Amino acid sequence: GGIITQTPKFLIGQEGQKLTLKCQQNFNHDTMYWYRQDSGKGLRLIYYSITENDLQKGDLSEGYDASREKKSSFSLTVTSAQKNEMAVFLCALRGGSYEQYFGPGTRLTVL
Amino acid sequence: GDQVEQSPSALSLHEGTGSALRCNFTTTMRAVQWFRKNSRGSLINLFYLASGTKENGRLKSAFDSKERYSTLHIRDAQLEDSGTYFCAADSGGNYKPTFGKGTSLVVHP
Repeated sequence: GGIITQTPKFLIGQEGQKLTLKCQQNFNHDTMYWYRQDSGKGLRLIYYSITENDLQKGDLSEGYDASREKKSSFSLTVTSAQKNEMAVFLCALRGGSYEQYFGPGTRLTVL
Repeated sequence: GDQVEQSPSALSLHEGTGSALRCNFTTTMRAVQWFRKNSRGSLINLFYLASGTKENGRLKSAFDSKERYSTLHIRDAQLEDSGTYFCAADSGGNYKPTFGKGTSLVVHP
């Protein structure tokens, strides 16, 4: 088995601030994802990466940057936090049989 | 339109009863996965199916690629089953599973 770690668990930011979320995995799987989940809504794909140094935009990429410098890590940057924004950001990876595994999440609150 | 239609959007059950959640697909899907959202907001894997049925305790899932649907059956519902359930379907080739909008389940005593 492996572990997906997301840091930080909780992130409190200020309006306009640049915020970075990190995801690490030791499954040695190639494809990783960043999703955003807002209360009462489904998941929205922000970015995904098929392999190291690859980046693909999802449906919600505007306002975000991503980085996949190593196979084991995938970072997401909120380029300018929006006031009163609250959401859970979920990192996921794609397993050998194409199923997805999700990390524990980072809960963002913008004051 | 959406490729994955999940229903119902909300479901209320009395403890000990059962029901089914369903996802219909507008195109042929290679596989389906069912998740439950935990208290922290992350998704816990329930089932991954490329065909047929799988069962785990009081949960059973089925996937029919040809008929374009999948179901998640819950029997003998318990209070701790309350939560939001999602299906996600994989059409193959594009690395992007499509998620349903979720079913909010409340189990009452």
